Amino acid sequence: QKEVEQNSGPLSVPEGAIASLNCTYSDRGSQSFFWYRQYSGKSPELIMFIYSNGDKEDGRFTAQLNKASQYVSLLIRDSQPSDSATYLCYGNQFYFGTGTSLTVIP
Amino acid sequence: KAGVTQTPRYLIKTRGQQVTLSCSPISGHRSVSWYQQTPGQGLQFLFEYFSETQRNKGNFPGRFSGRQFSNSRSEMNVSTLELGDSALYLCASSRGTAGGSPLHFGNGTRLTVT
Repeated sequence: QKEVEQNSGPLSVPEGAIASLNCTYSDRGSQSFFWYRQYSGKSPELIMFIYSNGDKEDGRFTAQLNKASQYVSLLIRDSQPSDSATYLCYGNQFYFGTGTSLTVIP
Repeated sequence: KAGVTQTPRYLIKTRGQQVTLSCSPISGHRSVSWYQQTPGQGLQFLFEYFSETQRNKGNFPGRFSGRQFSNSRSEMNVSTLELGDSALYLCASSRGTAGGSPLHFGNGTRLTVT
């Protein structure tokens, strides 16, 4: 079983909609989670991290962590075509999710 | 502030050869971790070096090795190259251990094994 499972998509949403990306993890000892965005041909870049249960908001992005259910999610509000990329979740056990490809349709 | 620098950007090698990749972290970052990215397997953790010591290791064969110097620069070596080693190799630096700190990635080295 993979340490971090991610809904692999691909996911398409219209411009202005909410995109929802989800990960589940198997290691209950995981304490922190990170979301990275990777544009085609580029390296991953950090967009959010979350350590505590609940929600964390940063602009149009909201990360949610539920340690009891062992899932972490990323919501992108008012999605823009520039958000089209692959989103990777990462737990503190060195495992990346397989990535979710998001396309925002103008 | 300079980012993470990886060299070279592209490499073409033949099977059986060996290769060395270099990574210079962000100033002040003591951890350098290495990842292999392929379309089929995604991003996979190779190993992490922290203050010149290998702290953690992924599930790769011993042909993959690395080291870190006193200035935190790191090198990764792959010996006896196989076709399946063709991939994008990314290094990332972080202030704390890669397991719990934000990672800052370099642009990667694209290795092609023929």
